Amino acid sequence: SQQGEEDPQALSIQEGENATMNCSYKTSINNLQWYRQNSGRGLVHLILIRSNEREKHSGRLRVTLDTSKKSSSLLITASRAADTASYFCATDERTTDSWGKLQFGAGTQVVVTP
Amino acid sequence: GAGVSQSPSNKVTEKGKDVELRCDPISGHTALYWYRQSLGQGLEFLIYFQGNSAPDKSGLPSDRFSAERTGGSVSTLTIQRTQQEDSAVYLCASSQSRTGGFLPLHFGNGTRLTVT
Repeated sequence: SQQGEEDPQALSIQEGENATMNCSYKTSINNLQWYRQNSGRGLVHLILIRSNEREKHSGRLRVTLDTSKKSSSLLITASRAADTASYFCATDERTTDSWGKLQFGAGTQVVVTP
Repeated sequence: GAGVSQSPSNKVTEKGKDVELRCDPISGHTALYWYRQSLGQGLEFLIYFQGNSAPDKSGLPSDRFSAERTGGSVSTLTIQRTQQEDSAVYLCASSQSRTGGFLPLHFGNGTRLTVT
């Protein structure tokens, strides 16, 4: 079963605009990660935010985490055509096992037009 | 260095045939994962290896699915008596050993399996 659910499912913007997508999850987590997938390729890790962090930045990416609402957001600022891809959140569930099962959502498909 | 390599990149098979999908992880990565991605869907966890052992096989959809890993490196996912619902992209990922925190996954480009 999927843990994270992204919203919106699809997003179309113009170059230079900001893109915001959200992720909601159900169980307690150790961390939450965002990945990017270009068409026909594997996923590429973008950023990881730990459960005790509230905000994290990496280049044009900004991620927030609200554990009380079990939600996260990914903001891409000043988008470029090359940002066109699907974006997935993945949660590392907090379990009694020695590792966390990384659960992926269904993704947000982002299209950036020149 | 080389990334995660998966072969074949595409596989078309007839219903009822067996298929083997191969994954070569990044050298030195002890953790290896298999996921399945159906068209327009997220990733479905299948199985996880730490070294050669599989602590978690809970995601395997049925007993037609099996996986092994030898020498702490190459892994093979086998699907017996394939069904049309097995059609999907099978993604492999690897990461360094998990000690003191989760490390990001490095994904291969996947094997696109089509069962006719």
